[in-house]
Amino acid sequence: SQELEQSPQSLIVQEGKNLTINCTSSKTLYGLYWYKQKYGEGLIFLMMLQKGGEEKSHEKITAKLDEKKQQSSLHITASQPSHAGIYLCGAEGLYGNKLVFGAGTILRVKS
Amino acid sequence: EAGVAQSPRYKIIEKRQSVAFWCNPISGHATLYWYQQILGQGPKLLIQFQNNGVVDDSQLPKDRFSAERLKGVDSTLKIQPAKLEDSAVYLCASSFRPRTRTMNTEAFFGQGTRLTVV
Repeated sequence: SQELEQSPQSLIVQEGKNLTINCTSSKTLYGLYWYKQKYGEGLIFLMMLQKGGEEKSHEKITAKLDEKKQQSSLHITASQPSHAGIYLCGAEGLYGNKLVFGAGTILRVKS
Repeated sequence: EAGVAQSPRYKIIEKRQSVAFWCNPISGHATLYWYQQILGQGPKLLIQFQNNGVVDDSQLPKDRFSAERLKGVDSTLKIQPAKLEDSAVYLCASSFRPRTRTMNTEAFFGQGTRLTVV
């Protein structure tokens, strides 16, 4: 089954700094999703990537899926306190079943 | 558009008691998921429905957990009897359709039910 490893587990950045979160899969990714979660709440959809080499941006957040479709990165430019939370990558396998998630990356932004 | 509704938001029960969670997905969404998220971990898929049929329940502890989705709309997840290790947030999500070879579709999540077993 698909397994996703996220790094780092957690990070603390100063407001205004850039940061990158990685998501590595044990198998080829056929759909990669990034979600954000506030503690104890549901997941909020950020972006979806499907094609190798694909890159999407929304406001100050950019996500990429590498050409081999086994790794994705999420980059935040000029971080703000509103970016704080848990970032989760999720993926589905070839046959569209079992949307599975990584363990998450906890982001704290110091003002 | 209304989101995924879950109830209750919080529940505290004693071990060996029973508990049920309810989920109302977004209207028209055929796929429904139940996840268990233990503190500090990512969500773990318990069961996935396509309409009212089960697509995957390989990680559902069937000796104590059960789920149903009657009429392919609302769903309930039950735990009977509960154990201390069942303390977690139970998340329900829905999507319009499962992924196809050429098109993905994102899942929308409810606020979750936080279960504490004491």
